Order: sequence, then C-alpha cells, then structure tokens
Amino acid sequence: NAGVTQTPKFQVLKTGQSMTLQCAQDMNHEYMSWYRQDPGMGLRLIHYSVGAGITDQGEVPNGYNVSRSTTEDFPLRLLSAAPSQTSVYFCASSPQGVHYNSPLHFGNGTRLTVT
Amino acid sequence: GDSVTQMEGPVTLSEEAFLTINCTYTATGYPSLFWYVQYPGEGLQLLLKATKADDKGSNKGFEATYRKETTSFHLEKGSVQVSDSAVYFCALTPSGGSYIPTFGRGTSLIVHP
Repeated sequence: NAGVTQTPKFQVLKTGQSMTLQCAQDMNHEYMSWYRQDPGMGLRLIHYSVGAGITDQGEVPNGYNVSRSTTEDFPLRLLSAAPSQTSVYFCASSPQGVHYNSPLHFGNGTRLTVT
Repeated sequence: GDSVTQMEGPVTLSEEAFLTINCTYTATGYPSLFWYVQYPGEGLQLLLKATKADDKGSNKGFEATYRKETTSFHLEKGSVQVSDSAVYFCALTPSGGSYIPTFGRGTSLIVHP
C-alpha cells in the first residue's frame, strides 16, 4: 500500500497564481484533512472531510478550497496565492467514526513558496 | 475547547542521555492520546498511543503513560540515540463529537554524539 500520497513535493508560485495540491489515499479512510505547518506555529487545520461529498472548515480556511468527490482523493486549491501561504502542507487521513482512537496517517508534505 | 501543551524546545541532549518531553492536555471525557514523530523532510508518523487512563504506550524504546489525574502524557526514553533527533508532537482525539485531533506545537529534539 502507498498510504497517503501528496503531489507535488515542491512548488513555487507567484502572487496571484492558482494551483491545486493533490492528496490521495488507498486505505479506504473516511476522514481526510489538510494542515499547514509553519515555524513556531505547529500544525494548523485548514479543511477536513468526514466522507465523500462532505467537507468542513478548520482553523485557517481562508484562501483555500477543497472538495471530496471520491473517498480516495482530497485536493486543496489555492485560488489566488499570497506570500502568507508560503508553508509546508500536509494531508492526513484516518478511519474516523468507528475507530476514533485510530491515528492519523500523514503524507510527506508539499513545500510551497509564494513569491 | 480541547488543547494540548508541550514543553518548549529545542531539547538538546548527548547520546545515551535520558529524555523526557512533557505534555499536558485539556479535554472533556476520555480522549485518546498520541505521540507522533517527524523526521526532517518527512510527514508525521505515529510513535505510540494510549486510549484509556493508566494505559502505557511504547515503541522503539519510547514510553508514555496516560495519567488522567494529572491530565498528562509525558514522553520518555531511557537512552537516546542520534537517530532520535526529530520533532515530537503530542496529540489527542476526543472521545465524542467530531473526532478532530488537537495537536501540541511540537518539541524539537537534537541529540549530539
């Protein structure tokens, strides 16, 4: 099993450009989420989904959109990139619901720089 | 709301030293508690977990005990190695409701030979 796969690993954008960070998992997990990691700030939840067709906002959703059309995929869209969105982005999944004591499974991250 | 507080880092130790990273939490009910480890350039991965009071999680020589009375889940290792250098995150998942995890801010561990 590949687990949680994130692409790309690195990306440089100019201010105002748009892009999509991809996340796919092959574990049939219901719960998927996006975090950003910044120095001194720990992990901050951007958006999450408890199943296909269901998404909700986390702690820092502004400037980001998500959709969940399948169980496997949970892309994160930046509509108009800003320098404040320079960060490392992690996608994570877990079985959710029945297995609330199950850990999150993380991808290896996408390092995004906005100039 | 729920919260997790970890000791500030970085923690700098010599190889074979004893490690403690403190973690305390605030949550209602009986959350599940986790320690994750993040090696440079990688995502977080589960190190150990405990799902009820007095449970001890252990893995790779690391241990942590779920202390309900002190709302703590301190991470310990008797003899650290250079390869343990990483960032360690304490986290909880609530026992009801949304099940969205809450993370501490992470503690960087640097082990010198």
